[in-house]
Amino acid sequence: NAGVTQTPKFQVLKTGQSMTLQCAQDMNHNSMYWYRQDPGMGLRLIYYSASEGTTDKGEVPNGYNVSRLNKREFSLRLESAAPSQTSVYFCAIETGAGANVLTFGAGSRLTVL
Amino acid sequence: TQLLEQSPQFLSIQEGENLTVYCNSSSVFSSLQWYRQEPGEGPVLLVTVVTGGEVKKLKRLTFQFGDARKDSSLHITAAQPGDTGLYLCAGGNDYKLSFGAGTTVTVRA
Repeated sequence: NAGVTQTPKFQVLKTGQSMTLQCAQDMNHNSMYWYRQDPGMGLRLIYYSASEGTTDKGEVPNGYNVSRLNKREFSLRLESAAPSQTSVYFCAIETGAGANVLTFGAGSRLTVL
Repeated sequence: TQLLEQSPQFLSIQEGENLTVYCNSSSVFSSLQWYRQEPGEGPVLLVTVVTGGEVKKLKRLTFQFGDARKDSSLHITAAQPGDTGLYLCAGGNDYKLSFGAGTTVTVRA
């Protein structure tokens, strides 16, 4: 997972608490993504960013906000965490020109009690 | 409902046996990828196929993209314990990559 760094790796929250997952890349690519992975559901796209300052909703954006203030960082925020947001979250960057090739971070495991 | 359906969901075989994992969809994709994921890690790209009917080989792994670009298969010859992992297919159109739910492969020594 060299090139994409996610923090924290593990987090436990209580319902209603807020937190931000951080993602940083050192590969100078434009497109960045946030996915969540749940058993039996595969990876589902939450938000993506095609370039600095732009963001768009993916398949499951409700309950999340994102911020892409610079080319290097893309953060995912949960304003009021719910148990349904218990999941493993992956940040990814698009590294293959024209073929949607993604390089993923190691993931952040979030538990909401 | 998954856009990409993978089968089987779980596969457990003995070292040295062959296995095939399938990825099917009713949608056409401009590219299809296979990733492997190990516990506690993010998915890692194995291969990308972009042409209908394309076959790619990566050592003991053979990937095929269907003629209509709606389905794909991954075949592993003489599986080894190191092949154990979650195999994910993903179909791409424009900026979007849609993932299947994955096939968990366990190769017993």
